[in-house]
Amino acid sequence: NAGVMQNPRHLVRRRGQEARLRCSPMKGHSHVYWYRQLPEEGLKFMVYLQKENIIDESGMPKERFSAEFPKEGPSILRIQQVVRGDSAAYFCASSKQGKNTEAFFGQGTRLTVV
Amino acid sequence: GIQVEQSPPDLILQEGANSTLRCNFSDSVNNLQWFHQNPWGQLINLFYIPSGTKQNGRLSATTVATERYSLLYISSSQTTDSGVYFCAVESSNYKLTFGKGTLLTVNP
Repeated sequence: NAGVMQNPRHLVRRRGQEARLRCSPMKGHSHVYWYRQLPEEGLKFMVYLQKENIIDESGMPKERFSAEFPKEGPSILRIQQVVRGDSAAYFCASSKQGKNTEAFFGQGTRLTVV
Repeated sequence: GIQVEQSPPDLILQEGANSTLRCNFSDSVNNLQWFHQNPWGQLINLFYIPSGTKQNGRLSATTVATERYSLLYISSSQTTDSGVYFCAVESSNYKLTFGKGTLLTVNP
């Protein structure tokens, strides 16, 4: 039973380019969360999605960032026109239910903006 | 929002030593998890423990929800235990709020 799969593991983008981060939840999990870990900081919630729905995006920057979890395929976190400050580790987590349940994390995508 | 404080921030041990990591939180919680972030950055689930005590090998955890703290015990530490240990809590919604972590270094 595969865990949460994220790809790519490492991504290098030049300033102004787009970054696409993918996440496939654990089998049987329909709740997906994205967290960001900035250098020297803990992990911060960004967005919570269920299939085809964004439930809560209160932790996501208002501009340039978007997320989706389509009916088929992985969840995508998209960052447009990346800037150096977007360099961070982005983690995806999944769970069976939305509340009161264990969340499992992927290995993360390390984004470096040069 | 809920506050999560972890202590100590840093801990250096000799292989074989025991340690206790603490997590205090400022409000009642529905969910509490302990994670180990290894030197490669991977987040590994250790315990899902909103209350009570659990054990897994050399690791055990206790959460006293009424007093708003959780403890992670590591016995007979090994060099592979090195990394950052995070406590994360879910209060009234589905979001996990993470502490800043304890950086553990186990020397051979």
